Amino acid sequence: DQQVKQNSPSLSVQEGRISILNCDYTNSMFDYFLWYKKYPAEGPTFLISISSIKDKNEDGRFTVFLNKSAKHLSLHIVPSQPGDSAVYFCAASAVQGGADGLTFGKGTHLIIQP
Amino acid sequence: ETGVTQTPRHLVMGMTNKKSLKCEQHLGHNAMYWYKQSAKKPLELMFVYNFKEQTENNSVPSRFSPECPNSSHLFLHLHTLQPEDSALYLCASSQAHRGRIDTQYFGPGTRLTVL
Repeated sequence: DQQVKQNSPSLSVQEGRISILNCDYTNSMFDYFLWYKKYPAEGPTFLISISSIKDKNEDGRFTVFLNKSAKHLSLHIVPSQPGDSAVYFCAASAVQGGADGLTFGKGTHLIIQP
Repeated sequence: ETGVTQTPRHLVMGMTNKKSLKCEQHLGHNAMYWYKQSAKKPLELMFVYNFKEQTENNSVPSRFSPECPNSSHLFLHLHTLQPEDSALYLCASSQAHRGRIDTQYFGPGTRLTVL
C-alpha cells in the first residue's frame, strides 16, 4: 500500500512556463516532506523540503506548497528550463529518533520542451 | 572525493556468487541508509544505521547483509541472489538529531544485474 503517491508518471511543459508536480500522502504521521530530482545514471539530488509547520517554502525558481488537510503537496518550478528535465521524486518522513528512512513516491518524469 | 560515493557503479553477478557493494560518505554524517530502486517502483528503504547501530531493517531477505564498520562506510554483502534482485541500489547519508530530520544525500547508485 503506497503511502506516498505521485499519480502523474510524466509531465510535458514548454520552456519558460510553470511546471507543477503533485504528490499525495496517506500517513498522517508524516511531518517532513522533500523533493528530489534524478537524472539518468545518477543518484537523487535534494531540491527543496518543507516541514508540516509551514505551508510554503521557496528557493529560487522552486516553491513547495503543503496542504495538510488534503494531505497534498506540490512543487512549482517557474520559469521551467531545459535543465529541469529529470525525474522528480516526492518523499516523506516522520520525526522519530532522528534517523529515519524516507518513503518515496514513484516519481514524475518532467520533460521541458523548447 | 566529496559527497557520497558508491562502488562499483555496475555489477553483474550469477546467483551463486558473493559480492559486496561499498558506500562512503565524506560529509561528516552519522546516519547511513541503503535503498533499492526496482523498475517502475518507488525507492524502497532497506536498512538504516545510526551511529553505526542498525536501527531499521525493512523485512529484507537474509541474502542481503549490511555492515557499517564506522560512520563513514557502509557495505551491502550479497550472496545467492535471485534475478528479481536486479535493481539500482542507492546509499544515502544524513546528520541524525533526535526530534529533527535532516536531508538525506544520495550516492550515484550501483546498477546490479543478477543472471
